[in-house]
Amino acid sequence: EDQVTQSPEALRLQEGESSSLNCSYTVSGLRGLFWYRQDPGKGPEFLFTLYSAGEEKEKERLKATLTKKESFLHITAPKPEDSATYLCAVQAKTGGFKTIFGAGTRLFVKA
Amino acid sequence: SAVISQKPSRDICQRGTSLTIQCQVDSQVTMMFWYRQQPGQSLTLIATANQGSEATYESGFVIDKFPISRPNLTFSTLTVSNMSPEDSSIYLCSAMTGRTGELFFGEGSRLTVL
Repeated sequence: EDQVTQSPEALRLQEGESSSLNCSYTVSGLRGLFWYRQDPGKGPEFLFTLYSAGEEKEKERLKATLTKKESFLHITAPKPEDSATYLCAVQAKTGGFKTIFGAGTRLFVKA
Repeated sequence: SAVISQKPSRDICQRGTSLTIQCQVDSQVTMMFWYRQQPGQSLTLIATANQGSEATYESGFVIDKFPISRPNLTFSTLTVSNMSPEDSSIYLCSAMTGRTGELFFGEGSRLTVL
């Protein structure tokens, strides 16, 4: 069964304190791994897609990396506006574009 | 990308009644999905809304409880039937453009059943 596990559940950082969020996955043939950001009361917002091990994507203070078993979302010098829940999700090649989401990591960045 | 509008944004309903949530996309999309997100939890896929045919439901979700329509490429509805307090949740419409896999989401419909 396809599965996504994220850790930690919550992360509290000081502004400027870099860290990483982890996403472990098991899937029967990865089509793509996705990162989303979700603010309270909003729907998730797409950040990145990673398709194969070794791939990296960057956007402002965020960098996503992928191995055969996990993905990391690195946050460099975070700011309070980076506070949100970050969701990892996967699609299997045989899943008909069905997207399975992890439980998310709630990030709090304090000024 | 796609901009997705959902309505209602929130509602309070009585046990035993039904509510229909509408989802409108500003452009033609290849696929549309309905998710449920219970407070403090992640997203659970209810079904894939198929244009002009019956939706494809995930395990634990049935058509009698969650009938879905998708009459064209930009519009879908989800009905939550015979509601109970356990149906209190946020219901999210999402869409995929092209075949790269990323999803765009509406703001969600927060449903409270008393």
